Amino acid sequence: DVKVTQSSRYLVKRTGEKVFLECVQDMDHENMFWYRQDPGLGLRLIYFSYDVKMKEKGDIPEGYSVSREKKERFSLILESASTNQTSMYLCASTRGRSAWEKLFFGSGTQLSVL
Amino acid sequence: GNSVTQMEGPVTLSEEAFLTINCTYTATGYPSLFWYVQYPGEGLQLLLKATKADDKGSNKGFEATYRKETTSFHLEKGSVQVSDSAVYFCALSGGANSKLTFGKGITLSVRP
Repeated sequence: DVKVTQSSRYLVKRTGEKVFLECVQDMDHENMFWYRQDPGLGLRLIYFSYDVKMKEKGDIPEGYSVSREKKERFSLILESASTNQTSMYLCASTRGRSAWEKLFFGSGTQLSVL
Repeated sequence: GNSVTQMEGPVTLSEEAFLTINCTYTATGYPSLFWYVQYPGEGLQLLLKATKADDKGSNKGFEATYRKETTSFHLEKGSVQVSDSAVYFCALSGGANSKLTFGKGITLSVRP
């Protein structure tokens, strides 16, 4: 069974902490994405990556960075967590870059910043 | 830029009722259109898709037709089940690079 695995289902952190959210896919996909999901706002793209060591900003990159050292792993980093970063974070991957490619999603990490 | 507008929710239906969830889009060119579903406690998964005008996507009894003239991709099901309770997202991909633009999502609850 193909999988996108996010390391934590629930995470509680304090304001100012550095937070790492990890995502691993076992499908040898080139492309990986980080979204955040908020009620009434839907999904918003934070960052994405088309290849190892490559990254591009999405629609809301402020306050976040990413790392892709290996093809299967894509990490989202909150350098100094703030309360407005409390959200559900979803990782996704796709095989290619065509417009009709479907995304495979992880189950999400619910992050609470206190 | 690209955008997707979904009808306001939530939606509550009785089992076996007919379902329509409206979705309209704004995009340049010829986007691909998708419906994703998120069951409780899970990530999103693709429900159906259509890649060109007049295409009909279908899966698990759900259908949606790509209507270029009305820029719409409404989701329908003739008889919903309790197990269809979930959040439904309409999305579009405006070209290469497979970046999706999502609507806000709508929660469907089906009562026995």
